[in-house]
Amino acid sequence: QKEVEQNSGPLSVPEGAIASLNCTYSDRGSQSFFWYRQYSGKSPELIMFIYSNGDKEDGRFTAQLNKASQYVSLLIRDSQPSDSATYLCALPWRSVNEKLTFGTGTRLTIIP
Amino acid sequence: GAGVSQSPSNKVTEKGKDVELRCDPISGHTALYWYRQRLGQGLEFLIYFQGNSAPDKSGLPSDRFSAERTGESVSTLTIQRTQQEDSAVYLCASIFHRYNAQYFGQGTRLTVT
Repeated sequence: QKEVEQNSGPLSVPEGAIASLNCTYSDRGSQSFFWYRQYSGKSPELIMFIYSNGDKEDGRFTAQLNKASQYVSLLIRDSQPSDSATYLCALPWRSVNEKLTFGTGTRLTIIP
Repeated sequence: GAGVSQSPSNKVTEKGKDVELRCDPISGHTALYWYRQRLGQGLEFLIYFQGNSAPDKSGLPSDRFSAERTGESVSTLTIQRTQQEDSAVYLCASIFHRYNAQYFGQGTRLTVT
């Protein structure tokens, strides 16, 4: 099993709807989780990180972490065309705090 | 500077030539990574520097690839005898230790002709 798995997509969501992106991981010892957004031709940009079980909200973005089930999600409310990008989740490699491993990313398209 | 800076932004080179890519991390960030991203593909880890510790070179694809870092400052990634399959965007990221969050530079797009 890969350390980090994401649905490769593409995922299409109507403008104004909620986009839901999911990531599962294999290492139960992982403590920190990150979501990055990458626009086409650009470098990844950190948008959220989460450490505790439950939800963490930042504007239209909500990260959800469930350590028992080993998944982390990113919800984007009121989706906008500018949210169209590839979203990458990342977590520490085998519980080593600083070396992150990235998922392959989910390509999201918001349909006007 | 305010962010991670990479140079050059674009590099076109002939097959067989050597290239050197540079990364200036965010001041105060302790660790630095190099990644490779081929068109339409995910991030491929190359090498990781943390302070004065021995670098983690486990991602380097061949002995044509090498990297150096002086202390907690500039890093250079060198590719010798470039091949066409080396064409990709090379990304550098430095890490904010407290949250282990990586911040990326804008990348160097390498094209080997």
